Amino acid sequence: DIQMTQSPSSLSASVRDRVTITCRASQTIGNYLAWYQQKPGKVPTLLIYAASTLQSGVPSRFGGSGSGTDFTLTISSLQPEDVATYYCQKYNSVPFTFGPGTKVDIK
Amino acid sequence: EVQLVESGGGLVHPGGSLRLSCAASGFTFSSYWMHWVRQVPGKGLVWVSSINSDGSSTSNADSVKGRFTISRDNAKNTLYLQMNSLRVEDTAVYHCVKVTWVGGSAPLDDWGQGTLVTVSS
Repeated sequence: DIQMTQSPSSLSASVRDRVTITCRASQTIGNYLAWYQQKPGKVPTLLIYAASTLQSGVPSRFGGSGSGTDFTLTISSLQPEDVATYYCQKYNSVPFTFGPGTKVDIK
Repeated sequence: EVQLVESGGGLVHPGGSLRLSCAASGFTFSSYWMHWVRQVPGKGLVWVSSINSDGSSTSNADSVKGRFTISRDNAKNTLYLQMNSLRVEDTAVYHCVKVTWVGGSAPLDDWGQGTLVTVSS
């Protein structure tokens, strides 16, 4: 099975900082990569699919890139409401494995 | 508005069984693949099972293979997860999740609030 890894596992940044989270698949998954945001006490919400397509309603400060095995989620200007854990997930085929998550908070 | 409401969780002894249900509304249930995803409070998301739109194809994570069975009743707009031979490590909140678009290779979109399963002696 394809394994998904993320780095870093956590980060602390200042408001308006640019934040980058990486996700790596152990084998190529094309662009079948989604990013989810989970705020404390809430269920996850879909941010990005197809590696770089912003889900409707998601602020434009979020961006995704990559294909194959290496992917990136970028928050161009971190806002207080972005405090959350971010997960990547492959969805090309079963198992639909999630990455372990990256916890983002404000410095 | 899409609504997914899980039920059936609770406390069960190791080796026991539970059947989770997910009542779906607000969309054409019979057109969408559905998934179960679990999460231990404070830990990460774990994909558990998926089922295609007509119920003819299912998949399970290796950790639950042979013990959990996903099914659906499209006439009742309900998704199920039959959980047998439960282990302490199955303790988690179980979420019912709808995919974003019709078809199998689709990201997860709408999540239920989840039902807590606790396996303990």
